[in-house]
Amino acid sequence: EVQLMESGGGLVQPGGSLRLSCAASGFTFRSNWMHWVRQAPGKGLVWVSRINRDGSNTAYADSVKGRFTISRDNAKNTLYLQMNSLRAEDAAVYFCTRDPGNYLDYWGQGTLVTVSS
Amino acid sequence: QSALTQPASVSGSPGQSITISCTGTSSDIGGYNYVSWYQQHPGKVPKLLIYDVTNRPSGVSNRFSGSKSGNTASLTVSGLQAEDEADYYCSSYASSSTLVFGGGTKLTVL
Repeated sequence: EVQLMESGGGLVQPGGSLRLSCAASGFTFRSNWMHWVRQAPGKGLVWVSRINRDGSNTAYADSVKGRFTISRDNAKNTLYLQMNSLRAEDAAVYFCTRDPGNYLDYWGQGTLVTVSS
Repeated sequence: QSALTQPASVSGSPGQSITISCTGTSSDIGGYNYVSWYQQHPGKVPKLLIYDVTNRPSGVSNRFSGSKSGNTASLTVSGLQAEDEADYYCSSYASSSTLVFGGGTKLTVL
């Protein structure tokens, strides 16, 4: 059974940093592109970032470019999202998702990031 | 990276059919056959309904179908049931292997 389990969310002050993790199991992690998607409370889904199979190619939404860094450790079956210079508008549930081919077939339960002083 | 355009809400009675539109540009929907649709019930994780414009994953009801014409994709839900009441999101592949979502459509079953 495919499982994606996010962790690392929490309360952080504006300008602060957080690192999200996503532990993957039940499939060959190194064979899949992976994405982060976020959803602010009561709002819609927003694509954040993606990474290719070996981590050599990444892409970001304009709103997080230069502040967020996606990475992966295929030996640990884990996806990461390093978030720096956090803003109030970054507050959201962050979902880790699997990409078998330009769509997202499995989603984690999400981890909540709150940005507030 | 502009969001795709969806109607904020649609509604229909049980047994009827509804269609949700999703409009993009030639840089996303119009340029690739990589449109997907997701259903999200309140407090739940999004669920994949349609991928590659028309394909349904195993286990998804055949009451859900997708199509595309030019820069606009559509999701049709036939034989509406109470359990279909949820938020629906379209998504498309865009340049440089990025994705873009629509703003979401709330489906109400009357």
